[in-house]
Amino acid sequence: DAKTTQPPSMDCAEGRAANLPCNHSTISGNEYVYWYRQIHSQGPQYIIHGLKNNETNEMASLIITEDRKSSTLILPHATLRDTAVYYCIVRVEAGGTSYGKLTFGQGTILTVHP
Amino acid sequence: NAGVTQTPKFRVLKTGQSMTLLCAQDMNHEYMYWYRQDPGMGLRLIHYSVGEGTTAKGEVPDGYNVSRLKKQNFLLGLESAAPSQTSVYFCASRMTVTFQAFFGQGTRLTVV
Repeated sequence: DAKTTQPPSMDCAEGRAANLPCNHSTISGNEYVYWYRQIHSQGPQYIIHGLKNNETNEMASLIITEDRKSSTLILPHATLRDTAVYYCIVRVEAGGTSYGKLTFGQGTILTVHP
Repeated sequence: NAGVTQTPKFRVLKTGQSMTLLCAQDMNHEYMYWYRQDPGMGLRLIHYSVGEGTTAKGEVPDGYNVSRLKKQNFLLGLESAAPSQTSVYFCASRMTVTFQAFFGQGTRLTVV
């Protein structure tokens, strides 16, 4: 699986857009980019995923560069409740035991300020 | 539809005691996972299962055993608890194709 690199921490003002980057320069053609977040003391929560096209849902937007070597998770209007650790994960979607693992790196601590 | 339910939510054990953590999911998911998270640290994968009757080791399996006798349940056992196993334990499940996983609310275990 491709390795991901995220900044350890970021700050954002409430009401502004939060743009969280993720570098995955070794990503292969069949690997998807997934984003999760973990609010303090809670279990992680799935946010969004994509292969190569930009994706949007009710929580966020995912922008993947054309060469797929990096992506950005965008929270369009950050609130205090968006303060959390955000994880970027790259995975192949396939069956089989060797593809079963789901592991998390250190992620980015996003702090939203009033 | 409860999603992923972990039992118990809190537990205090004495060193050397044993216990079993239960994870139950009602989404008919094939894959299930157990993680531990120490204070201020990231999630570490203990064991996982790709289907009923199967288990596999994760990143930190030592000191833990697991069983998946029924598709909806994934049990994590501590045979002889140690203070180093004080942690918050999270369970998760997902379908086969996608890595969109659903997590439980965690079990806070303290070993004294």
